Amino acid sequence: AQRVTQPEKLLSVFKGAPVELKCNYSYSGSPELFWYVQYSRQRLQLLLRHISRESIKGFTADLNKGETSFHLKKPFAQEEDSAMYYCALGAVSYGKLTFGQGTILTVHP
Amino acid sequence: EADIYQTPRYLVIGTGKKITLECSQTMGHDKMYWYQQDPGMELHLIHYSYGVNSTEKGDLSSESTVSRIRTEHFPLTLESARPSHTSQYLCASSIPEQGELFFGEGSRLTVL
Repeated sequence: AQRVTQPEKLLSVFKGAPVELKCNYSYSGSPELFWYVQYSRQRLQLLLRHISRESIKGFTADLNKGETSFHLKKPFAQEEDSAMYYCALGAVSYGKLTFGQGTILTVHP
Repeated sequence: EADIYQTPRYLVIGTGKKITLECSQTMGHDKMYWYQQDPGMELHLIHYSYGVNSTEKGDLSSESTVSRIRTEHFPLTLESARPSHTSQYLCASSIPEQGELFFGEGSRLTVL
């Protein structure tokens, strides 16, 4: 069975500090991983996906198959990054995603 | 404007009532999904559909049912609501082969 684990429910950093949101997964096939974000009073939306290998809003995430991890990183956090972040795993062809419990990131001024 | 709409946003009802949560999308997507989310917890897939007249159960067992008579419409029904059904229900749609889910704003259900 596929599973996504986000070990930190809450993460607080100060503006300008580096931030890393952890995500570990278990999956028997080739995983496709995503990070979704929900800002205050907004709906859940895609932040980035591992196959694109892109940087969105300064965030990057590298898939590490050996450690089965897909941590989200940003070198300099901004206050507007405060949000709930979900790691998700699935197969693109099926569209069904398994979500982690989410991490609430708070960036203090 | 292409979007995905959920109604009602908030619903408080008594035990035993029948409820239907509406989900409509104007994005032309074939795939649609219902996720259930308790406060502070992960999203659990309860139903999905790959097109008209196609519905499947998700990973989390649910007493709710869904239908897909039209591409744009994917309502969820509870025949007899119970307090254990209190939760947030999120509807989503996606483009095949892309994996990105587009979510509605959610319907927060409270059963007294």
